[in-house]
Amino acid sequence: DTEVTQTPKHLVMGMTNKKSLKCEQHMGHRAMYWYKQKAKKPPELMFVYSYEKLSINESVPSRFSPECPNSSLLNLHLHALQPEDSALYLCASSQRLGGSGNTIYFGEGSWLTVV
Amino acid sequence: AQKITQTQPGMFVQEKEAVTLDCTYDTSDPSYGLFWYKQPSSGEMIFLIYQGSYDQQNATEGRYSLNFQKARKSANLVISASQLGDSAMYFCAMREWFGDSNYQLIWGAGTKLIIKP
Repeated sequence: DTEVTQTPKHLVMGMTNKKSLKCEQHMGHRAMYWYKQKAKKPPELMFVYSYEKLSINESVPSRFSPECPNSSLLNLHLHALQPEDSALYLCASSQRLGGSGNTIYFGEGSWLTVV
Repeated sequence: AQKITQTQPGMFVQEKEAVTLDCTYDTSDPSYGLFWYKQPSSGEMIFLIYQGSYDQQNATEGRYSLNFQKARKSANLVISASQLGDSAMYFCAMREWFGDSNYQLIWGAGTKLIIKP
């Protein structure tokens, strides 16, 4: 079983709703990631946090707002989404940014449907 | 720019047979890392195996092995004695560094593997 836990597993939201995706890891990792994945496509990087600071923002629309309250938790706040934002959202973590052999471990994903 | 190519969109394999999933890469960086992930229909992205560019031996993890041919820039995944539970999408990925110590994964398009009973 993965040590990266994501909730909820499934989320259906209207375009005017505000919701959040949550991610927690218990491996002591200091880097955490959000990816978006559309059907039959590889994941696309959205955000990276390193030591609780936003390190990378891949030009993601402001209707997606990440938050890292501490080194174990990562949230993705959703507001005024569009139907095309419907996708699988994957959270991931790694021991640190840098170093060889550093592996990114993923959670089970949150399936988001915007109606 | 770094690039990962997986040329097999889909594969059907008989149960208990060995499977080879192809992956070629392109990079000018002498130090790089290659990963294979498995993604069942449930959505979870499962790490399978890692190969570093300076590793002298091919990586192995249980039934998974990586056939690393550096000169040919290929990193094929070999699954021995396939099982029905191996049916999934498989992604090859390469680590790309940027900034002082940041990196992300460059992904291939994936190969959908279906194991037939």
